[in-house]
Amino acid sequence: LAKTTQPISMDSYEGQEVNITCSHNNIATNDYITWYQQFPSQGPRFIIQGYKTKVTNEVASLFIPADRKSSTLSLPRVSLSDTAVYYCLVGLNYGGATNKLIFGTGTLLAVQP
Amino acid sequence: KAGVTQTPRYLIKTRGQQVTLSCSPISGHRSVSWYQQTPGQGLQFLFEYFSETQRNKGNFPGRFSGRQFSNSRSEMNVSTLELGDSALYLCASSFDGGKAGYTFGSGTRLTVV
Repeated sequence: LAKTTQPISMDSYEGQEVNITCSHNNIATNDYITWYQQFPSQGPRFIIQGYKTKVTNEVASLFIPADRKSSTLSLPRVSLSDTAVYYCLVGLNYGGATNKLIFGTGTLLAVQP
Repeated sequence: KAGVTQTPRYLIKTRGQQVTLSCSPISGHRSVSWYQQTPGQGLQFLFEYFSETQRNKGNFPGRFSGRQFSNSRSEMNVSTLELGDSALYLCASSFDGGKAGYTFGSGTRLTVV
């Protein structure tokens, strides 16, 4: 399973766009990239998932370059409620023998007014 | 539809006791995974069950065990509790092994005194 590296923390202000980058140099061909958000004393919440290029949903965008060795989660116009820890994960093996999530340390995003 | 339900939400036990935690997955989800979260170690994978069979296991001692019932509900048991077992225990369910992401419950906060 690929190891991921993220910044430990980031600061932002309300209304700004936030980009959190994750490095995963040894990502495998079959690996997807998934991002989760976690608030204190709650379980992680699925944000977005992608394999290559760009994926967008109602809350975020995920940019993945051609070599797939990194990915960037983009949160448009953050608000105070986006203050949370964000985890980047790679290495899911769908339907195979390895179905576990390996969480790194995550990135604590602090949004200020 | 109802999310992943974990009971109880809070639990206080003394050293040496055993504890059983319960997880009801989203209806139709057959995969249930368990995670331990502590400030020092972060989120760590315990085990995953699919159709009543343990499919994957993390690096935890044998005091940690689990099972899954025919209705996909799962329980995890910790015997001979130690102070270091104090943690937030999270359950996650998925339909297809994670391809569309995992849905986590709010967790059970276990305190061992």
